[in-house]
Amino acid sequence: GESVGLHLPTLSVQEGDNSIINCAYSNSASDYFIWYKQESGKGPQFIIDIRSNMDKRQGQRVTVLLNKTVKHLSLQIAATQPGDSAVYFCAESGYGLTFGGGTRLMVKP
Amino acid sequence: DSGVTQTPKHLITATGQRVTLRCSPRSGDLSVYWYQQSLDQGLQFLIQYYNGEERAKGNILERFSAQQFPDLHSELNLSSLELGDSALYFCASSRGQRGQETQYFGPGTRLLVL
Repeated sequence: GESVGLHLPTLSVQEGDNSIINCAYSNSASDYFIWYKQESGKGPQFIIDIRSNMDKRQGQRVTVLLNKTVKHLSLQIAATQPGDSAVYFCAESGYGLTFGGGTRLMVKP
Repeated sequence: DSGVTQTPKHLITATGQRVTLRCSPRSGDLSVYWYQQSLDQGLQFLIQYYNGEERAKGNILERFSAQQFPDLHSELNLSSLELGDSALYFCASSRGQRGQETQYFGPGTRLLVL
């Protein structure tokens, strides 16, 4: 089936800086995308979602951007905090979710 | 806390054995999904049940099966276990049966096959 992938396996940022995590997807028919955060030993935690009829969606300190032309998603985290350290996955929704490989975000104090 | 519960948290067993993992969805959710997370395969969708009926299959092995009961809890049965089945198994739930719905994940069951 189609797959969703990530460009960077590890991202290290300074506390207080903004973080950008990128994701490429391959199914142009996909109409719903989700970002999850997974901390060590825990299940994926919903962060934000976006439907294909939108280009941008904002949450609390997070923004997701969708570029359908190049089939690209990004997650922006403002004022990154130590508690943001985790692995971040983008996922493409069908019946089951198709997950990318994940990006580990490390926040340096 | 997502509202999805899974038991047990940890399971250690031997090759060739059979285990059952249990999941209770969030209140009001009718769909249950099972996922496997391993180091080499990442997070992979296994199977979905909606209101007691199988709705979709992903990369689920024939040795694995699932069911959803009238009270909407679900069980994932893994049989003839192999070393490579060692992984985290997650359950997720959502309101409806189709995409464009957020899936909320449980804390997972860590399975170790020795």
